[in-house]
Amino acid sequence: GQQLNQSPQSMFIQEGEDVSMNCTSSSIFNTWLWYKQDPGEGPVLLIALYKAGELTSNGRLTAQFGITRKDSFLNISASIPSDVGIYFCAALAGNNRKLIWGLGTSLAVNP
Amino acid sequence: DTAVSQTPKYLVTQMGNDKSIKCEQNLGHDTMYWYKQDSKKFLKIMFSYNNKELIINETVPNRFSPKSPDKAHLNLHINSLELGDSAVYFCASSQVGGTSGYNEQFFGPGTRLTVL
Repeated sequence: GQQLNQSPQSMFIQEGEDVSMNCTSSSIFNTWLWYKQDPGEGPVLLIALYKAGELTSNGRLTAQFGITRKDSFLNISASIPSDVGIYFCAALAGNNRKLIWGLGTSLAVNP
Repeated sequence: DTAVSQTPKYLVTQMGNDKSIKCEQNLGHDTMYWYKQDSKKFLKIMFSYNNKELIINETVPNRFSPKSPDKAHLNLHINSLELGDSAVYFCASSQVGGTSGYNEQFFGPGTRLTVL
């Protein structure tokens, strides 16, 4: 099935460091999303992006919708232990509102 | 109040058995989904129902049958379970009708299915 290319696959960082991850596609999408999945839970929406070039923040998180509409980036500043989890990018495809997902970036934060 | 709930949280069963997973949402949403998350954490859409009508039906074995008795419930029944069915199954819901932009999908806590 269709999927997005997300990198890196995993990251292990020290508390206080900044984190960057990205997502690319060979197709154009009009909506890009970033979700976080805590261990043992379902994914939760962090940021939704609707416009090429858009830069949106949610606390220490900042996401950008790539100008080509084929990619998106998520940055986390000054990481803390509760940032641990899996971050997924997703893009909205078609009229039936189907989400295409990346493979996830697993983040571990060393206190 | 739990927005999207699933039961059971864990399900361990033998190959060949038939089992069901239940999902309920109290958000008043008109659309519900079933996802499968494999051991590599890849999330794959299986089914989607809008107002009890099937709108997404991915390539899923016909041993999997969703049933939506009403807008607030979407259950997943699996016949003749196989080892490869072991995964975490997530239910989600969103409000699609009459809105524009992205209609956030709210996920349940997941059901971990282990087939022995």
